[in-house]
Amino acid sequence: QKEVEQNSGPLSVPEGAIASLNCTYSDRGSQSFFWYRQYSGKSPELIMFIYSNGDKEDGRFTAQLNKASQYVSLLIRDSQPSDSATYLCAVNYDMRFGAGTRLTVKP
Amino acid sequence: DVKVTQSSRYLVKRTGEKVFLECVQDMDHENMFWYRQDPGLGLRLIYFSYDVKMKEKGDIPEGYSVSREKKERFSLILESASTNQTSMYLCASSFSDSSYTFGSGTRLTVV
Repeated sequence: QKEVEQNSGPLSVPEGAIASLNCTYSDRGSQSFFWYRQYSGKSPELIMFIYSNGDKEDGRFTAQLNKASQYVSLLIRDSQPSDSATYLCAVNYDMRFGAGTRLTVKP
Repeated sequence: DVKVTQSSRYLVKRTGEKVFLECVQDMDHENMFWYRQDPGLGLRLIYFSYDVKMKEKGDIPEGYSVSREKKERFSLILESASTNQTSMYLCASSFSDSSYTFGSGTRLTVV
């Protein structure tokens, strides 16, 4: 079974810090990678996707992909209390998700 | 905006009942998916469909079936509900090469 694993949480960072979320996957042939954010009681919403090795930046968010090592990460710079949520990593278009990492940003 | 609509936000059913969860999307997406989400287990794929009348088993199909008679509608069926099927059920849809849009979820309680 293809697996997606995320670093165990919960993760707590102070406001203004960098939050680092990590995800590893087992299927070496995976081509597309997604990060979703899920607020408590809400549905997941897409925040980033990445297809190529390297970094992809969007505002305060940076996705990093290393296919050789089979990991993808999400960095959140200048973390805000509104970033407090569960972050889900997903792989490929038949989307297997990781279990999610709960992030808390403390004021 | 793409809309994925799940028919019920909260549902309470009795053990042994046949339960239908409906999902409708309005953007002509080919792909539709059903997940359940449980604390500590994340999102687990139950069934998905790439086209009308097509269905594929996900990782946990046991106890469930699906129906896709029209492109915009994907139904999840619990043939005989059991207490271990108490969960949050999420429907999603997408084009072939794009990310998902999720519905708002149905919280099902089986008593």
